[in-house]
Amino acid sequence: DIVMTQSPDSLAVSLGERATINCKSRQSVLYSSNNKNYLAWYQQKPGQPPKLLIYWASTRESGVPDRFSGSGSGTDFTLTISSLQAEDVAVYYCQQYYSTPSFGQGTRLEIK
Amino acid sequence: EVQLLESGGGLVQPGGSLRLSCAASGFTFSSYAMSWVRQAPGKGLEWVSVISGSDGNTYYADSVKGRFTISRDNSKNTLHLQMNSLRGEDTAIYYCAKDRHCTSNSCFYDYWGQGTLVTVSS
Repeated sequence: DIVMTQSPDSLAVSLGERATINCKSRQSVLYSSNNKNYLAWYQQKPGQPPKLLIYWASTRESGVPDRFSGSGSGTDFTLTISSLQAEDVAVYYCQQYYSTPSFGQGTRLEIK
Repeated sequence: EVQLLESGGGLVQPGGSLRLSCAASGFTFSSYAMSWVRQAPGKGLEWVSVISGSDGNTYYADSVKGRFTISRDNSKNTLHLQMNSLRGEDTAIYYCAKDRHCTSNSCFYDYWGQGTLVTVSS
């Protein structure tokens, strides 16, 4: 199984500032035949199920604000929130779907 | 509008059984693989099982293999998870999730239900 490790575990950012969450996979999730990274990002607010934000490492889900962006390839990925809003307080998870699905441990994002 | 509504959770003793259901609406159910993902209290997400849309292929996490059975009834747009020989470490919120794209057993999920809590305790 592919182990996914996120950093940091928690993060406090001021409103309007940039938030960056990292995700590292123990092996590459880049599928060479189609040059796609099998990596998704989810947002989970308290008491709610996860919500899909990003897939294929950088494709934003319909309806997700454009302040959310994903980048990276191979084993190293980043979720960036360009200008933090109060409603972005949540736990964020990365997930690989290259093989048996696995999630990162989560990153808790708070307002500073 | 896609809706997923889980039911069947509750308190069960170790070694007991429970059957979860997920009623789906708002999409062509038989066209999509469906998964169960769980979350222990205060913990992260763990994939449990997936079933393909039409041919019924199933896959399980090692932690539940041989104890849990996933199934679906496409005529009733319903997903099930039969859980036997339950253990304390199975205590979690169980979410059903609609799969957007899958490669054999691995998918990402574009819709999630609100979840149903399973508590295994004596």
